[in-house]
Amino acid sequence: DAGVIQSPRHEVTEMGQEVTLRCKPISGHDYLFWYRQTMMRGLELLIYFNNNVPIDDSGMPEDRFSAKMPNASFSTLKIQPSEPRDSAVYFCASSSRTGSSDQPQHFGDGTRLSIL
Amino acid sequence: DAKTTQPNSMESNEEEPVHLPCNHSTISGTDYIHWYRQLPSQGPEYVIHGLTSNVNNRMASLAIAEDRKSSTLILHRATLRDAAVYYCILREIYGGATNKLIFGTGTLLAVQP
Repeated sequence: DAGVIQSPRHEVTEMGQEVTLRCKPISGHDYLFWYRQTMMRGLELLIYFNNNVPIDDSGMPEDRFSAKMPNASFSTLKIQPSEPRDSAVYFCASSSRTGSSDQPQHFGDGTRLSIL
Repeated sequence: DAKTTQPNSMESNEEEPVHLPCNHSTISGTDYIHWYRQLPSQGPEYVIHGLTSNVNNRMASLAIAEDRKSSTLILHRATLRDAAVYYCILREIYGGATNKLIFGTGTLLAVQP
């Protein structure tokens, strides 16, 4: 079975540019999560969706960040404009029935983002 | 949220058992104990979880203290591929969509050949 698929794997861009990260969750999973990982702050949850609807975006750092899930098989995380401090590895994860706490989350391999 | 405490790092030799400890003295009766690991350049990977009883799966075993204030992840025969950061995480049974995974700093396991 295909796992969570993220693209691109690496992104290098200049400050001020728009960045779009993409995620395809595991088929049939109804929860989708976006995380960010840095050396300083570790793994942080940014936002999560249930049935394509954003449920909790309290981890989104500021208005420059936005996330959408137009359908059950696709989500995007957009940063506009990007800043050097946004450099991090961004992970997408999916899960089924997260209302049940024994369900694991399945993570993609991440997008390593570098803002110059 | 109840907190977990893990050693920053541990070392093991290949093909020997590894016991990774986790303290969670403020655990509530409705917290699951989850373990994830993160291999280099990969996303976190679910390992195992338990509530009160010890658990086994193809990856590892989870031993939970009788008072639930600590637990130990056991890798029966470490391989080089097991070198990773291991996270011990508590998750509330109830609460529906609010029970997030909150990652701490974990234990960096080094496996020597």
